[in-house]
Amino acid sequence: RKEVEQDPGPFNVPEGATVAFNCTYSNSASQSFFWYRQDCRKEPKLLMSVYSSGNEDGRFTAQLNRASQYISLLIRDSKLSDSATYLCVVIRYSGGYQKVTFGTGTKLQVIP
Amino acid sequence: EPEVTQTPSHQVTQMGQEVILRCVPISNHLYFYWYRQILGQKVEFLVSFYNNEISEKSEIFDDQFSVERPDGSNFTLKIRSTKLEDSAMYFCASSGKLAGVRETQYFGPGTRLLVL
Repeated sequence: RKEVEQDPGPFNVPEGATVAFNCTYSNSASQSFFWYRQDCRKEPKLLMSVYSSGNEDGRFTAQLNRASQYISLLIRDSKLSDSATYLCVVIRYSGGYQKVTFGTGTKLQVIP
Repeated sequence: EPEVTQTPSHQVTQMGQEVILRCVPISNHLYFYWYRQILGQKVEFLVSFYNNEISEKSEIFDDQFSVERPDGSNFTLKIRSTKLEDSAMYFCASSGKLAGVRETQYFGPGTRLLVL
């Protein structure tokens, strides 16, 4: 089983729609979770950290479910500019070092 | 806003040649990372570097790879004898603290390496 798994998509949604992505992780020792977005041929950019209590940033809401070992990202009122690949990133720590694992990404296409 | 920079933006090399990819992390950051992304595939962790030594490396980071912080600002990735399968986008990243819930990594724009 992969350490981090995401549905590759693509998710094609109309403008204004709400869309949700999930990401599952296999190692229960994982401690930090992030959502990044990556535009075509560009570097990943942090979208938001994911906290245990869940967190919201404008139209974006991230949730963590440790029991089921998944994180989610909800985008409300989708904009054309939200079209990108959304990367789930999971970090676990061992002996003072960290192991960073990226998911394969979920592609979102918002259509007019 | 401070940013991570990388040079060159593109590099074409012959198989078997050595390449050095350069990165200038954000100036007050302490942790540095290299990742690669083969076209159409996911971002893969290569190595992390702290306090002038490698703190973690992946199975991809074999003896052909090395990293160095030759001065106070540059962080380099060297590939000693490039192979065709080394063709990828290489991203450098840095963070102020050990990346955690409230500390993230900032990525440079990447160097696209093509090995012929």
